[in-house]
Amino acid sequence: QLQLQESGPGLVKPSETLSLTCAVSGGSISSGYYYWAWIRQPPGKGLEWIGSIYYSGSTYYNPSLKSRVTISVDTSKNQFSLKLSSVTAADTALYYCTTHPPYSGFDSWGQGTLVTVSS
Amino acid sequence: QSALTQPASVSGSPGQSITISCTGTSSDVGGYNYVSWYQQHPGKAPKLIIYDVSNRPSGVSNRFSGSKSGNTASLTISGLQAEDEADYYCSSYTSSSTGVFGGGTKLTVL
Repeated sequence: QLQLQESGPGLVKPSETLSLTCAVSGGSISSGYYYWAWIRQPPGKGLEWIGSIYYSGSTYYNPSLKSRVTISVDTSKNQFSLKLSSVTAADTALYYCTTHPPYSGFDSWGQGTLVTVSS
Repeated sequence: QSALTQPASVSGSPGQSITISCTGTSSDVGGYNYVSWYQQHPGKAPKLIIYDVSNRPSGVSNRFSGSKSGNTASLTISGLQAEDEADYYCSSYTSSSTGVFGGGTKLTVL
């Protein structure tokens, strides 16, 4: 059973870049079976898919965030990362890292990490 | 891409059945058999309960079932229990190779 753990700053200033890492245990990020994804949830609101990456580096992003998002994978550390640039208060959310087979449902989730954008 | 459409809330009494709808377009729900459903209790991460329209992950109660007709997918919970009170989200793969969620439905067990 895969286990995922998010880490990163809980507070980011407006206009700066949000950076989060997801450590994967219980399996290899290079296994080739899964895609690795980020999903966020603003306080009291619904879920929003941010993007997904395959271990080879192929990426797929939410069109509404595409210009500001970079997702990368580090197979040597068995982890993947999220960078979101030029953040505003609207980016304040609980950020989850997840996994999913191609096209299919998000089946393993981290506990989530709250990122607040504020000066 | 637009979010999938779910009712904001549904309710039911213990033992009853309820159905939550999830409406999209031919570019997402209607075009692929890749609709999934998630249950989220307060303060917890979402949990996958249905994938690929109607498949249940191991360990998920058979009281949960999924279906699809045209551009609308549905989640049915039978034999409603107090522990089913939660938020429910649908999600679909899209023709743009992206993912999209519904706005979420709050289930109240009366």
